[in-house]
Amino acid sequence: DTAVSQTPKYLVTQMGNDKSIKCEQNLGHDTMYWYKQDSKKFLKIMFSYNNKELIINETVPNRFSPKSPDKAHLNLHINSLELGDSAVYFCASSQGQAVILRGYTFGSGTRLTVV
Amino acid sequence: DQQVKQNSPSLSVQEGRISILNCDYTNSMFDYFLWYKKYPAEGPTFLISISSIKDKNEDGRFTVFLNKSAKHLSLHIVPSQPGDSAVYFCAASGGADYKLSFGAGTTVTVRA
Repeated sequence: DTAVSQTPKYLVTQMGNDKSIKCEQNLGHDTMYWYKQDSKKFLKIMFSYNNKELIINETVPNRFSPKSPDKAHLNLHINSLELGDSAVYFCASSQGQAVILRGYTFGSGTRLTVV
Repeated sequence: DQQVKQNSPSLSVQEGRISILNCDYTNSMFDYFLWYKKYPAEGPTFLISISSIKDKNEDGRFTVFLNKSAKHLSLHIVPSQPGDSAVYFCAASGGADYKLSFGAGTTVTVRA
């Protein structure tokens, strides 16, 4: 009964390809996020959706496009992959103001390697 | 520009002793602070949080201290146990969007 599940766990692909990472949460949360952990281990927010509506869109290349078909799903599509996109991508969810007391619930991450 | 900084990338401590992890922030608008714990190949898991109206919050072996004037917080783990060996992330939030800004993490190793 994984609360936030991401697929795939590992993804190796060639430069220039297009790939998607899927995320689903079964917690009934209203907000979902995508974070990127780069080689320096910083966790940086990329996007946030609240009830399927985009509320945070940090400075991310427009090759990255999030899609939220419903509030339980937030997928990340990446076009024309580049070597610098190699990182671990974490999906997370939260419920309104409860994030202040309980933080986000994270998925286990997707390690993307672009060769 | 990193607004949350963990200047010690690693910490080694003997089992049973105290682990002290430090975190500094630059954004005075932050009003909630959280600590996360992360094991390899897993996502970060929430550990403990503190509001800016408090200076201390305790949960079992974990205590977080906040010094607003110094823009500094710390996490104390007493006593440290081998299962505490993990990466610990400090995070802060200050806006209506509930965005969390994270530090780079501190790797804690508890020696038997």
